[in-house]
Amino acid sequence: KNQVEQSPQSLIILEGKNCTLQCNYTVSPFSNLRWYKQDTGRGPVSLTIMTFSENTKSNGRYTATLDADTKQSSLHITASQLSDSASYICVVSTPFYGGATNKLIFGTGTLLAVQP
Amino acid sequence: DGGITQSPKYLFRKEGQNVTLSCEQNLNHDAMYWYRQDPGQGLRLIYYSQIVNDFQKGDIAEGYSVSREKKESFPLTVTSAQKNPTAFYLCASSMSGGVSYNEQFFGPGTRLTVL
Repeated sequence: KNQVEQSPQSLIILEGKNCTLQCNYTVSPFSNLRWYKQDTGRGPVSLTIMTFSENTKSNGRYTATLDADTKQSSLHITASQLSDSASYICVVSTPFYGGATNKLIFGTGTLLAVQP
Repeated sequence: DGGITQSPKYLFRKEGQNVTLSCEQNLNHDAMYWYRQDPGQGLRLIYYSQIVNDFQKGDIAEGYSVSREKKESFPLTVTSAQKNPTAFYLCASSMSGGVSYNEQFFGPGTRLTVL
C-alpha cells in the first residue's frame, strides 16, 4: 500500500533554532518527492522537488534530503523565523496508470510552531 | 495576476443540499485536481482531469461530481449523497506531458461546513 509517514506530528522550537522533519514512504513506482508548506487555512506551497537521482535540494533556509534506497527524506530548517510556523507536508509522486501526469500521496504533515 | 482561484472561501450548507465549489486557473495548465483535507489526515484525491471534457475518479469520489467544459475551469459539486462533507477543499493544477516533475499548484481552498 502506498503510504507516506511523517514525524514528529508536531514540534515547538524557539526562533533562531534549527530543526529537522522526517518522512518515510512506501510508494511505488516513484516519480519524485516534494515538501510543501501549508499555512493554516491556505493551500500548500511547494518548497522542494527531488527526483530519484537527487540527494539534496535547497531553497533558502530549507534543505531537503532524499535517500531513495531507504525511502527516507528529511527537511532541515535553518535559523527558524516566526513565519516558518506552518504545517510541512511530505508528498511522494507516482505516475497515474496510463496517464501523462502524477498522482500525489500525501503525508499527514508536521505542525511546526516557532516561538519568540 | 496568474494563479488558481477558488470561491467561495467559506461555504455553509444545510443537510440535503447540493453545493458547487468553483476553481479557475489562468496558468494554461492541462490537468486539474480536487482534494479534500480533514484534520489529522493527508490530502485525499476526489477527482482529476487531464484534458478538457475528460475526468477520472480519485480515491474518494463517492458523493461528488465534476465537469471540465473549459480548460480554465473545474467546478466540484458536493451532492447530498456525500455523507460527511464538512472539510477543507483544495483545487490544484499542473502541466501535462512529462511525468517526472509535473508540479501541482494549489488554490487557497474552500472551507465547507454542513449545518
